[in-house]
Amino acid sequence: ETGVTQTPRHLVMGMTNKKSLKCEQHLGHNAMYWYKQSAKKPLELMFVYSLEERVENNSVPSRFSPECPNSSHLFLHLHTLQPEDSALYLCASSQDLAGEPDTQYFGPGTRLTVL
Amino acid sequence: AQKVTQAQTEISVVEKEDVTLDCVYETRDTTYYLFWYKQPPSGELVFLIRRNSFDEQNEISGRYSWNFQKSTSSFNFTITASQVVDSAVYFCALPLRSNYQLIWGAGTKLIIKP
Repeated sequence: ETGVTQTPRHLVMGMTNKKSLKCEQHLGHNAMYWYKQSAKKPLELMFVYSLEERVENNSVPSRFSPECPNSSHLFLHLHTLQPEDSALYLCASSQDLAGEPDTQYFGPGTRLTVL
Repeated sequence: AQKVTQAQTEISVVEKEDVTLDCVYETRDTTYYLFWYKQPPSGELVFLIRRNSFDEQNEISGRYSWNFQKSTSSFNFTITASQVVDSAVYFCALPLRSNYQLIWGAGTKLIIKP
């Protein structure tokens, strides 16, 4: 089984819709991340969770709402998005946040298009 | 300030050629780590290597090798005998002091032509 899975792989939604992205990691890690990758822009860290507690929220608009019910699952709830939110959303996990920087392992991403 | 520069936006070579991707970094930390990731057209970021600044030995993994030069703050990546499947965008990254927040280079798009 692949280490980090994401569903759906592709999502098209209108600005008034509500949808959720799901991420699951099978690596026994304690930290999980959401990133946004837009065309021509560097990878942007959105949220970081450690042992189900949010430790980072990089000034992300409230229309993005993360949820981490346990250390293996991470969700990104979307509502009233804008067309500029269209991007590749990547989930990652790492062993933990303490000590030396751990390798982050990424899922395949969800390609989101907002109409 | 910490920074990662990948000056090569796009490189195109013919299959079986060797190719080197450059990564230059800036940091005031005396100890640090560096990462390389590969992003094929499918989108997933694939981890390639994690290197500690204490270890300046070159790393070789099959056709991949990395040259770490602290004197020039560079951590370059070479693919020997390139293959079409190596076509991807390659990113170099440097963790902030927080350890989990990565400073990413802009990426180098590598095109291997058959």
